[in-house]
Amino acid sequence: AQSVTQLDSQVPVFEEAPVELRCNYSSSVSVYLFWYVQYPNQGLQLLLKYLSGSTLVESINGFEAEFNKSQTSFHLRKPSVHISDTAEYFCAVSDLQGGSEKLVFGKGTKLTVNP
Amino acid sequence: EADIYQTPRYLVIGTGKKITLECSQTMGHDKMYWYQQDPGMELHLIHYSYGVNSTEKGDLSSESTVSRIRTEHFPLTLESARPSHTSQYLCASSDLAFGYTFGSGTRLTVV
Repeated sequence: AQSVTQLDSQVPVFEEAPVELRCNYSSSVSVYLFWYVQYPNQGLQLLLKYLSGSTLVESINGFEAEFNKSQTSFHLRKPSVHISDTAEYFCAVSDLQGGSEKLVFGKGTKLTVNP
Repeated sequence: EADIYQTPRYLVIGTGKKITLECSQTMGHDKMYWYQQDPGMELHLIHYSYGVNSTEKGDLSSESTVSRIRTEHFPLTLESARPSHTSQYLCASSDLAFGYTFGSGTRLTVV
């Protein structure tokens, strides 16, 4: 069964610093990869996704993630974070074998941006 | 506007009561899901449906039940609530090309 590992449960950074949130998944022939963000007391919002094509995907608010098949990773990066980026970030994988669309989530990384 | 709606947002209820958490989506997605999320923890799939009259249990065992009589509606029911059911319940629907769309969640507290 597919599994997702988010190596850091908490990442504190200062405003305008770069950040990387790490995500690794167990190997599979074909997968779709997602990052979701959850603000306090809210549901999950899709941040970005990799389905096919370019291995570098970007969100509208400056985040990017790179699909690395050989390392089975999909790390999330932002060159300069804002206070408003403080949230919980979840990496998720959809294993396409068997036609399933079920998402498997990592345990989440809590990003705290300090002034 | 296409969206997914969950009601209520917050619910505090006594032990032994029957409750139904509502979830509706306007996107016409066939696939819908219920996830359970404890505070600061990961999401666990408890139920999913691939279409009308199709329901399956997820990876995490749950005493709740679901039904899918209409495409847009996927309610979750607890026949007899217990304090161990206290959690956040997130409903989602999916189109693989666009990923999952999540509702705002229902935060349930059983006292």
